[in-house]
Amino acid sequence: EAQVTQNPRYLITVTGKKLTVTCSQNMNHEYMSWYRQDPGLGLRQIYYSMNVEVTDKGDVPEGYKVSRKEKRNFPLILESPSPNQTSLYFCASSVGVGETQYFGPGTRLLVL
Amino acid sequence: EDQVTQSPEALRLQEGESSSLNCSYTVSGLRGLFWYRQDPGKGPEFLFTLYSAGEEKEKERLKATLTKKESFLHITAPKPEDSATYLCAVRGNRLAFGKGNQVVVIP
Repeated sequence: EAQVTQNPRYLITVTGKKLTVTCSQNMNHEYMSWYRQDPGLGLRQIYYSMNVEVTDKGDVPEGYKVSRKEKRNFPLILESPSPNQTSLYFCASSVGVGETQYFGPGTRLLVL
Repeated sequence: EDQVTQSPEALRLQEGESSSLNCSYTVSGLRGLFWYRQDPGKGPEFLFTLYSAGEEKEKERLKATLTKKESFLHITAPKPEDSATYLCAVRGNRLAFGKGNQVVVIP
């Protein structure tokens, strides 16, 4: 089944404790992206990757890192999480830029 | 700057009461307009992609249309299972999402 998977689905952590949210797709998509979704603000893009080893900042990249060492994986790294990073995070992938994006199930993060 | 505004923010419909959702946009060179459905706590699910003014697409009770300034998502004879938040996104120089139309269909 074609899908985007994210882990973990739920995470509670404390300020400053580094964490990684994994994202994997099995559709051989070139383009992958991370979003955060907050009430009243909608979906906002954090980082995106157009191909392996090619990543770029989205609209709200501060406090986040990403890497794209393999085509199928695109982890999101929070080096020193803060409470304002409490949010619902989505990974998405598509064949290419501007093409239809397919979203993962989401990761709900709470930073205390 | 690419911008998307969706209206109304929230809509309550009786089952069978048809209605339309609006997505107004400003974009420098539209490269695609996307509609998604999102259920609470879940990832957005793709519905339609529209590329040029005059284009229309249908799926079951949903029909999406596109003009040069806006898109409509028409819901015909909605059922309770159509209750969801509908997201509109446009691709210009970047991909911009609207805040969504929250639809509740009452039996």
